[in-house]
Amino acid sequence: NAGVTQTPKFQVLKTGQSMTLQCAQDMNHEYMSWYRQDPGMGLRLIHYSVGAGITDQGEVPNGYNVSRSTTEDFPLRLLSAAPSQTSVYFCASTPSGGQTGTFGYTFGSGTRLTVV
Amino acid sequence: QKEVEQDPGPLSVPEGAIVSLNCTYSNSAFQYFMWYRQYSRKGPELLMYTYSSGNKEDGRFTAQVDKSSKYISLFIRDSQPSDSATYLCAITNSGGYQKVTFGTGTKLQVIP
Repeated sequence: NAGVTQTPKFQVLKTGQSMTLQCAQDMNHEYMSWYRQDPGMGLRLIHYSVGAGITDQGEVPNGYNVSRSTTEDFPLRLLSAAPSQTSVYFCASTPSGGQTGTFGYTFGSGTRLTVV
Repeated sequence: QKEVEQDPGPLSVPEGAIVSLNCTYSNSAFQYFMWYRQYSRKGPELLMYTYSSGNKEDGRFTAQVDKSSKYISLFIRDSQPSDSATYLCAITNSGGYQKVTFGTGTKLQVIP
């Protein structure tokens, strides 16, 4: 099925551990992004990419790293997990521009991360 | 001041009621206005979008934008239990989507 696939769905980490959240889309979308969602804070942009080889920081990038080697994949790396990174993480994609019928983001189903 | 303000609710209504969900925003440069629906433990999904001011209708859903007041609304007619979800408004100033600002979401419960 076409869409955005995130793995894993759940993860528990110990403080200081590192891990990579995977995100893949099969819609040939140029733009991909990572958000975290926390109660009362809404969705906050961590990093985004406008195409393979191009990434940039969003609103809350500290403690996270990204790369975009292919159009399909956009992994998010937690360098040294902290309890403040406990959150639900969403990957989203969209084609660039504003073509009719292709507006808006397609979100993955999320990764629930707990850092203890 | 947050760029987008949204009442978190929860909002509880009986089945068949008309629901009004609202957001205010501060930046007059915003031109694209979106509503996402998010079911529990799922990712948000685009429900509707509008460009600039005016109304847009899609079935039981109507999106309304008042740029003079910086106020956007989503109306749900004949609400159903399946409409129970969190609704997020989202705004951006261009079609490029690089910077989309989301509201915090309003949780809606439709009681049978």
